[in-house]
Amino acid sequence: DAGITQSPRHKVTETGTPVTLRCHQTENHRYMYWYRQDPGHGLRLIHYSYGVKDTDKGEVSDGYSVSRSKTEDFLLTLESATSSQTSVYFCAISESYSLNTGELFFGEGSRLTVL
Amino acid sequence: GQQLNQSPQSMFIQEGEDVSMNCTSSSIFNTWLWYKQDPGEGPVLLIALYKAGELTSNGRLTAQFGITRKDSFLNISASIPSDVGIYFCAGQMSDKLIFGTGTRLQVFP
Repeated sequence: DAGITQSPRHKVTETGTPVTLRCHQTENHRYMYWYRQDPGHGLRLIHYSYGVKDTDKGEVSDGYSVSRSKTEDFLLTLESATSSQTSVYFCAISESYSLNTGELFFGEGSRLTVL
Repeated sequence: GQQLNQSPQSMFIQEGEDVSMNCTSSSIFNTWLWYKQDPGEGPVLLIALYKAGELTSNGRLTAQFGITRKDSFLNISASIPSDVGIYFCAGQMSDKLIFGTGTRLQVFP
């Protein structure tokens, strides 16, 4: 199994508060991704990174920011959480650019509830 | 944007039965993939298909890349309780990876 750890695994917060989710990998893979999973929508890409300090937006990036200061860590931040951001968030990694191959290794997910 | 229509949405079957699910789109894809998500876990890649018409097996799983490049199906033969989960198709094209909405499979002994 790919070594991916997400933290926290569960979080409940209030509208308007900042939230940061962390993804840590031990595989030294270049590419890292944040997805959200919602009923009826499957998995949707929020942001991705193709190297340290190199990131780009996915299809649902509004309200989210990311940072990657080290190869092994990719942070997802909600500056001011809203109820529409209640979701399960998955980090994924790949050795090659998955948006060309589709092959991803996923973490176990972080369930976020915004009240 | 592109959408993948995955069916059925859910299936309730008895252990030992065969299962078939499919994914269709109005768009053409270069790669089709099938992922499985166990309860409380992240998705895991089962099969990747790279050529139109390709038929690939992985144990009891068989998947095909449709000849029109707009669809794919996944078959599971002789289902067992650990097949329970959500199965996602995904299509890749032009720097985009699109996921279907999933088929939830329940297997009863």
